[in-house]
Amino acid sequence: GAVVSQHPSRVICKSGTSVKIECRSLDFQATTMFWYRQFPKQSLMLMATSNEGSKATYEQGVEKDKFLINHASLTLSTLTVTSAHPEDSSFYICSARKRQGSVGTQYFGPGTRLLVL
Amino acid sequence: EDKVVQSPLSLVVHEGDTVTLNCSYEVTNFRSLLWYKQEKKAPTFLFMLTSSGIEKKSGRLSSILDKKELFSILNITATQTGDSAVYLCAVEAYPSGGSNYKLTFGKGTLLTVNP
Repeated sequence: GAVVSQHPSRVICKSGTSVKIECRSLDFQATTMFWYRQFPKQSLMLMATSNEGSKATYEQGVEKDKFLINHASLTLSTLTVTSAHPEDSSFYICSARKRQGSVGTQYFGPGTRLLVL
Repeated sequence: EDKVVQSPLSLVVHEGDTVTLNCSYEVTNFRSLLWYKQEKKAPTFLFMLTSSGIEKKSGRLSSILDKKELFSILNITATQTGDSAVYLCAVEAYPSGGSNYKLTFGKGTLLTVNP
């Protein structure tokens, strides 16, 4: 199997606080993990690509100081939304590619719904 | 910039109908095209296509890729209410100057199947 978990599944926070979201590959090693954001009725937008042991690569327009990504091990990547604001409210989804995966084998986590008040 | 365009954006049909969803793309360094089904949570994988003209089938769903015309279709026959979902098309490509293959998603087609 190839299971990816995310925690928490839902979080509500006050404006100005920081929120950490964890993404874990439960039964495989993932050298690469991806973080996406999805606004209502919109598609998934890639935010950043995270490689184990190195700095994340951010997509154009995504602030790296606002969305801190840490990929400390082959099974865990974290996304921290720093000083969250209401406009950061969204559905955040991670995916993980198997260490020796074939083309296209990204496995998605169940997503984290963030609401910033 | 890589682009993936899906049509229609939404579709309402009756149970038993057949539907065709479209996906066109413009990317550099194409590697594969993928179809996903998204209900309330994260997308679930349906198909991955890398070669033109070879139909992939899974039950009532099938898909085919045309790399010359840069599009793919997803067919669903004998639709059921459980097929109601957003269907996402994504293209995996290697961006110029990049170091990882990445997926670019279309906006999706919202399919509603009424009983």
